[in-house]
Amino acid sequence: GAVVSQHPSWVICKSGTSVKIECRSLDFQATTMFWYRQFPKQSLMLMATSNEGSKATYEQGVEKDKFLINHASLTLSTLTVTSAHPEDSSFYICSAERIGDSEQFFGPGTRLTVL
Amino acid sequence: RKEVEQDPGPFNVPEGATVAFNCTYSNSASQSFFWYRQDCRKEPKLLMSVYSSGNEDGRFTAQLNRASQYISLLIRDSKLSDSATYLCVVKRRILTGGGNKLTFGTGTQLKVEL
Repeated sequence: GAVVSQHPSWVICKSGTSVKIECRSLDFQATTMFWYRQFPKQSLMLMATSNEGSKATYEQGVEKDKFLINHASLTLSTLTVTSAHPEDSSFYICSAERIGDSEQFFGPGTRLTVL
Repeated sequence: RKEVEQDPGPFNVPEGATVAFNCTYSNSASQSFFWYRQDCRKEPKLLMSVYSSGNEDGRFTAQLNRASQYISLLIRDSKLSDSATYLCVVKRRILTGGGNKLTFGTGTQLKVEL
C-alpha cells in the first residue's frame, strides 16, 4: 500500500510551452502534498506545499505564477510549469502526506527537459 | 548556513567495509529525523527513522544527538548494492496551513567497490 504515482515520468518540450505534471495517491488520501525540484548533483528542494481545497504555499524564490499548483481532491495534485524555459529542466518529485499518521510517500518523479 | 548539512562525498569504500555518515541540522524546532536513500534518477526512499536512543536495522545503525543537533548513520559490512546517495532529512510541523515539512540535506554519495 501507500503508492504515489506521477505522470508523465518524463517529458521533453520546446521553450515557451506549458507542461502539466500529475501526482496521485493511489491507495490513501492526502490533505497535503508537496512538490520538490532536484537539479543534477543537488538535493531535493521544496518548491511548494499544496493543501486540498486551498491555495498552495510557495517557498521563497519560487514564482507562484510560473509554477501553478492545483489540489482539487484528496488524491490528486497537479503542477503546471508555465512558459517553460531550459533553466526549468529538472527532476520534479511530489510527495503525499497520508491522513492519519502523517507519513509522507514519494512519487517516482518526472524528468522535464526543455529545449 | 543550510538547514541540513552533510559531507557530499563521494565515499569510495571496498566491499565489507564499515562506513559512517554525519549530518547536522540548525533548526531546533525539528521534530523527526530520517535517513533516505536515493539511487540515480530515482525518487528518495525511506531507509530508517532516527531516534535519540539509537536504532538498528540489520547492517544499518542510526543515532540522533539532540543537544548537538547531530545525526549519524553507520553501515556495516558494505555491499555493492549499498552504492547510492544517502540523504539526511529533518521534519517539522508547518505552523500555517498544516502538514509537515521535510528538509533534505545535499546527500552523501557512497560507492562500494569490489
